[in-house]
Amino acid sequence: GAVVSQHPSRVICKSGTSVKIECRSLDFQATTMFWYRQFPKQSLMLMATSNEGSKATYEQGVEKDKFLINHASLTLSTLTVTSAHPEDSSFYICSARAAGGAQNQPQHFGDGTRLSIL
Amino acid sequence: GDSVTQMEGPVTLSEEAFLTINCTYTATGYPSLFWYVQYPGEGLQLLLKATKADDKGSNKGFEATYRKETTSFHLEKGSVQVSDSAVYFCALSVGETSGSRLTFGEGTQLTVNP
Repeated sequence: GAVVSQHPSRVICKSGTSVKIECRSLDFQATTMFWYRQFPKQSLMLMATSNEGSKATYEQGVEKDKFLINHASLTLSTLTVTSAHPEDSSFYICSARAAGGAQNQPQHFGDGTRLSIL
Repeated sequence: GDSVTQMEGPVTLSEEAFLTINCTYTATGYPSLFWYVQYPGEGLQLLLKATKADDKGSNKGFEATYRKETTSFHLEKGSVQVSDSAVYFCALSVGETSGSRLTFGEGTQLTVNP
């Protein structure tokens, strides 16, 4: 149980392209999803917290207009990297926390999306 | 603020060796503690967790005990295998709502040689 599917797993595209990444909780409902960015050999950096039906909360230094997040349902959140440039190349990982249940349930992670901007 | 500090890597061991990866934390509240593992090119998988002092989390031969007095959550395994090669992240979460955020350590790269 608690499977999170992230799609696509890898994207290679030209500079200026907008890229959409999907994060789905397959067997549970997630009121909250998280988007992370990971640079090579580094830890995960939280970009934003996504709550179903409301605006995402972005971390300091993360451009809202650059990284558009939509959480339209209890099982789907999307991250759109708008007008991507080479410096946006990174590994993006989403996670989801099940709604309700015991205190401090763990987050369940997708397999990540490797984004390469040429 | 909340923070997690892990021992610096990389760590290289021979198969069947004993593993310890140190993790200490600072938290403004009473945290839950986690160890996540990341295999190459993949996302993170929850390895084990502990939600209160003196709890021991265990999974796949790995163990970690929540030590409030030393603010530590060290990861141990008695006999590592080549398949344990991965990056290990210690993390904490504070709060009672489903929106509690995770704070990660820097990660420790483990390589196990046959």
